[in-house]
Amino acid sequence: NAGVTQTPKFRILKIGQSMTLQCTQDMNHNYMYWYRQDPGMGLKLIYYSVGAGITDKGEVPNGYNVSRSTTEDFPLRLELAAPSQTSVYFCASSYSPADTEAFFGQGTRLTVV
Amino acid sequence: QKEVEQDPGPLSVPEGAIVSLNCTYSNSAFQYFMWYRQYSRKGPELLMYTYSSGNKEDGRFTAQVDKSSKYISLFIRDSQPSDSATYLCAMIPDRGSTLGRLYFGRGTQLTVWP
Repeated sequence: NAGVTQTPKFRILKIGQSMTLQCTQDMNHNYMYWYRQDPGMGLKLIYYSVGAGITDKGEVPNGYNVSRSTTEDFPLRLELAAPSQTSVYFCASSYSPADTEAFFGQGTRLTVV
Repeated sequence: QKEVEQDPGPLSVPEGAIVSLNCTYSNSAFQYFMWYRQYSRKGPELLMYTYSSGNKEDGRFTAQVDKSSKYISLFIRDSQPSDSATYLCAMIPDRGSTLGRLYFGRGTQLTVWP
């Protein structure tokens, strides 16, 4: 059981470039989330999805886009990368909205230079 | 005011010490209270959760929730070097919430030295 898988693990982007962070889960969870974690700042929600075809913004969505065409996949798209997007990105999934256990991926460490 | 406040530390203790980690919150709708543990360069993993007020014990770990004070704690007894990690508190509103997002504290970095 792989759980939540994120790729790539590391990436360096130049300012203005674009990229897609991949996230796949094999637990048949409806709820999926993207968080970013800045040093010493906890996790901030970027986007979330309650099922295939349904996405919505979290608290820091600017500069990002998401799609959810299948239950398993929830990619995060960065358009026109900026240094402020340098962070560690975590994808997570859970079975239900009040599920106390969210399963996290290993993270993608992104640097924008 | 942030909805969840947590002192980021760092906290450094000798092996065998009792560790106390704390969070305060402002949203009285929070009903589920979790502690996640995050090792360096890894994703967070659920350590414990508590519903509403009260205590919960699991081995060397005890979670406490005081809703009247909007204050939660995690105690680690007989701390071990393997407990060295960042501990994040997280909260969810009641089951009526359709968002289901976790509201995280900043995390407290703990080092237990031998």
